Amino acid sequence: SQQGEEDPQALSIQEGENATMNCSYKTSINNLQWYRQNSGRGLVHLILIRSNEREKHSGRLRVTLDTSKKSSSLLITASRAADTASYFCATDAIRTGRRALTFGSGTRLQVQP
Amino acid sequence: EPEVTQTPSHQVTQMGQEVILRCVPISNHLYFYWYRQILGQKVEFLVSFYNNEISEKSEIFDDQFSVERPDGSNFTLKIRSTKLEDSAMYFCASSESQGPYEQYFGPGTRLTVT
Repeated sequence: SQQGEEDPQALSIQEGENATMNCSYKTSINNLQWYRQNSGRGLVHLILIRSNEREKHSGRLRVTLDTSKKSSSLLITASRAADTASYFCATDAIRTGRRALTFGSGTRLQVQP
Repeated sequence: EPEVTQTPSHQVTQMGQEVILRCVPISNHLYFYWYRQILGQKVEFLVSFYNNEISEKSEIFDDQFSVERPDGSNFTLKIRSTKLEDSAMYFCASSESQGPYEQYFGPGTRLTVT
């Protein structure tokens, strides 16, 4: 798989349920960021986790990072219809001077009311 | 809350024409970026800009493209002689020079080349 690949590609859940999306990457990273994109719109920054962190929380979001497995997960708890969007992970390698983000293909989340 | 803005939201141009996409990054940010997303595909990095020069660019960013910070607030992407395959959503982003390194994106400009 390519750098920053999410799975599943699509996820459909009921309002109130939790949604878990996974991201895998291939090369060493410094930071991993999660973004949300509503259809045809811009990218909204959700959370950044550094390579020396294992877990981070922000409101209903929980992100984990396992650098030994080169993977991250994004958990959205108590989902709402407004969470319907595509979710992307993006990685950088700032310590090598590379700030460019490498994005995954994204997970399309549908939350049914 | 400060945000990145982009104009225009939608640009239609004919093949071979030049276009300039404009961005106003977050005011205290010093790193600026352009990315693009072809419909149905991944977001791809084009270029980053710091201290009035390009700091990184991808293989996509060839001689057809150029960036400029013409004044203290705007950051532009120029595409010379547009091609059909340049049709995409173009996103501007900005970040602080020191940590944290979150990149904040604008709403995008949808470029349609006919």
